[in-house]
Amino acid sequence: GQNIDQPTEMTATEGAIVQINCTYQTSGFNGLFWYQQHAGEAPTFLSYNVLDGLEEKGRFSSFLSRSKGYSYLLLKELQMKDSASYLCAVRLMSRDNYGQNFVFGPGTRLSVLP
Amino acid sequence: DAGITQSPRHKVTETGTPVTLRCHQTENHRYMYWYRQDPGHGLRLIHYSYGVKDTDKGEVSDGYSVSRSKTEDFLLTLESATSSQTSVYFCAISELKGGRAYEQYFGPGTRLTVT
Repeated sequence: GQNIDQPTEMTATEGAIVQINCTYQTSGFNGLFWYQQHAGEAPTFLSYNVLDGLEEKGRFSSFLSRSKGYSYLLLKELQMKDSASYLCAVRLMSRDNYGQNFVFGPGTRLSVLP
Repeated sequence: DAGITQSPRHKVTETGTPVTLRCHQTENHRYMYWYRQDPGHGLRLIHYSYGVKDTDKGEVSDGYSVSRSKTEDFLLTLESATSSQTSVYFCAISELKGGRAYEQYFGPGTRLTVT
């Protein structure tokens, strides 16, 4: 089976840095994605890792270690609008190697306090 | 924003009735997906499509069927709705770039309640 774990909830202070972890055990791996989802809204794409290492996009960075089945999303200079759920998703290998099957973690609800 | 719409946005139906949800895209993306989202479970894949008339099952496909007769439309049908299918349903699309499918863009969601 496929298993992805994330902390259920996290709290941080405005202006601080927070790291959201994701561990996965899947049959096949073809990339890891992070999405942000505000309450009552659709998920939106944040970052993508397929090779080991750090990917940086402005205030957001994502890290991947394939050998450890581990990723994290780093949010810097937290703002109130960053209060949302953060979803980790693994893209699985497929028959035609185009990787169209995805498995999502349960999501981490982040609350940013003033 | 990617051009994805879902209809209806809200629906209340009775147990045993058929229900069809529609996803429409204007991006000409190859891949389309249907997910359901429930508290404590996150997003779970129901079915996906990798081209017109090409579909495959996801993690929670029992009780659901799909059809894709045109690139832009992907329909999800609950043949006989049950209370366990009360959920928020999201459609997503994905672009094929360089031989690998990239990130998904999600529609606004459909809140379905089965009474």
